[in-house]
Amino acid sequence: SQELEQSPQSLIVQEGKNLTINCTSSKTLYGLYWYKQKYGEGLIFLMMLQKGGEEKSHEKITAKLDEKKQQSSLHITASQPSHAGIYLCGRLSGGGADGLTFGKGTHLIIQP
Amino acid sequence: NAGVTQTPKFRILKIGQSMTLQCTQDMNHNYMYWYRQDPGMGLKLIYYSVGAGITDKGEVPNGYNVSRSTTEDFPLRLELAAPSQTSVYFCASSYGTTGNPYTFGSGTRLTVV
Repeated sequence: SQELEQSPQSLIVQEGKNLTINCTSSKTLYGLYWYKQKYGEGLIFLMMLQKGGEEKSHEKITAKLDEKKQQSSLHITASQPSHAGIYLCGRLSGGGADGLTFGKGTHLIIQP
Repeated sequence: NAGVTQTPKFRILKIGQSMTLQCTQDMNHNYMYWYRQDPGMGLKLIYYSVGAGITDKGEVPNGYNVSRSTTEDFPLRLELAAPSQTSVYFCASSYGTTGNPYTFGSGTRLTVV
C-alpha cells in the first residue's frame, strides 16, 4: 500500500476558484514537504511543515499539518493559470537520511 | 547559484548499452539522492549518499550503481540498459535530514529502446 495517499488524483478548477489537495500518511509524520512540478520540469519547493497544527502560507498557497490525523492539506485561493501543474507531498522517512517518500501527486488544471 | 545541475536532459539508449547520468550541486550539501519518476507512480528513491565516500540503496536500486568521490558530484550509472529503466531521473540534495528543503535538478528523460 502507498505510504502517502494524495487526493484527488486530478483536479480541474475554473480560474479564480479555491481548491484543496489532501495528503494522508499511513505512518507517523516527522515532517511533511510540498512540492510543485510543472509538466516536463523539476520539482519546486513550496513549503515544509514539521509541527502538529503548523500552518504556512506563500502568496496564495496555504498548507496545514494535522499531526493527529497524519494528514496535510494544501489550499489555493483564487486560482490562477500559473498554479497549474503536479503537486507532490513528501514525508521524511522516520528522521533517517534516506530522503523523502512521495505521494503519487495531484494533477491540477486551471480552466480560463 | 546553479543549484543542482543534471546532464544530459534527454537521452535515448539501446537495450544493453550503458551510460552515466551526471549530477552536480554547488550548495555544499552533504546529502544527495537519485529518484526516478514513472507516470502515475510518484518518485521512487534509487540511491542516496550522506557524504563523500558513503552511498546506500534506496527503494529501487537494481540495475543502477552510484559513487560519491566528492561532495559536489553524485553520478548514477546504468550498466545494461533495459526498457524498464525508461523513466525521468531526478537528482536532489539537502543539508540534512530534518528542517531543510530538498533541492531538485531539472531531470534527465531517458528512453531505452
